[in-house]
Amino acid sequence: TQLLEQSPQFLSIQEGENLTVYCNSSSVFSSLQWYRQEPGEGPVLLVTVVTGGEVKKLKRLTFQFGDARKDSSLHITAAQPGDTGLYLCAGAGGGSNYKLTFGKGTLLTVNP
Amino acid sequence: KAGVTQTPRYLIKTRGQQVTLSCSPISGHRSVSWYQQTPGQGLQFLFEYFSETQRNKGNFPGRFSGRQFSNSRSEMNVSTLELGDSALYLCASSFDGGYYGYTFGSGTRLTVV
Repeated sequence: TQLLEQSPQFLSIQEGENLTVYCNSSSVFSSLQWYRQEPGEGPVLLVTVVTGGEVKKLKRLTFQFGDARKDSSLHITAAQPGDTGLYLCAGAGGGSNYKLTFGKGTLLTVNP
Repeated sequence: KAGVTQTPRYLIKTRGQQVTLSCSPISGHRSVSWYQQTPGQGLQFLFEYFSETQRNKGNFPGRFSGRQFSNSRSEMNVSTLELGDSALYLCASSFDGGYYGYTFGSGTRLTVV
């Protein structure tokens, strides 16, 4: 069974601060996806990383996939109140395994 | 283009009843997956369909079932509802099975009383 451990579970910071969310597993994933979910809505895809060591930047968000494709991190620079939400990492098993394994999520609150 | 549409948005059912949830994927997407989201367990995979065939199933009891129609629309059914089935049920579609990511619907909030 593939598991994804996400940390921290909760994060409350002030506007302008930086933060990092971690996603770790003992399993190898063919791709790692990050989603953001707001209350009452479904998750929205932010990025997909597929190559070990890959780094992707999306404005103030930086995503990294570990060399062994077992872990990933999301770094937000100069957080803004609009970044508030539930951040979820999800691993795709690959091959004929067409399911995503989700971490439990990091609930981020950015206070003005 | 239109997103993933789930109906209904909210549902209240009594223990022992059955329920059917509907999902219309993005046009052209042939893969549809269903997930259950609860505060304690997070998002858990129910099943995935591609071109009317179930390719993967999660660890849920047989009371949970689904199907996909020729137009890629999908339904999931839960029979003999239990209080623990109260959750947000999310449908997600992709072109190829989710390797590059899924587009999720807004979900159906099911409350079992």
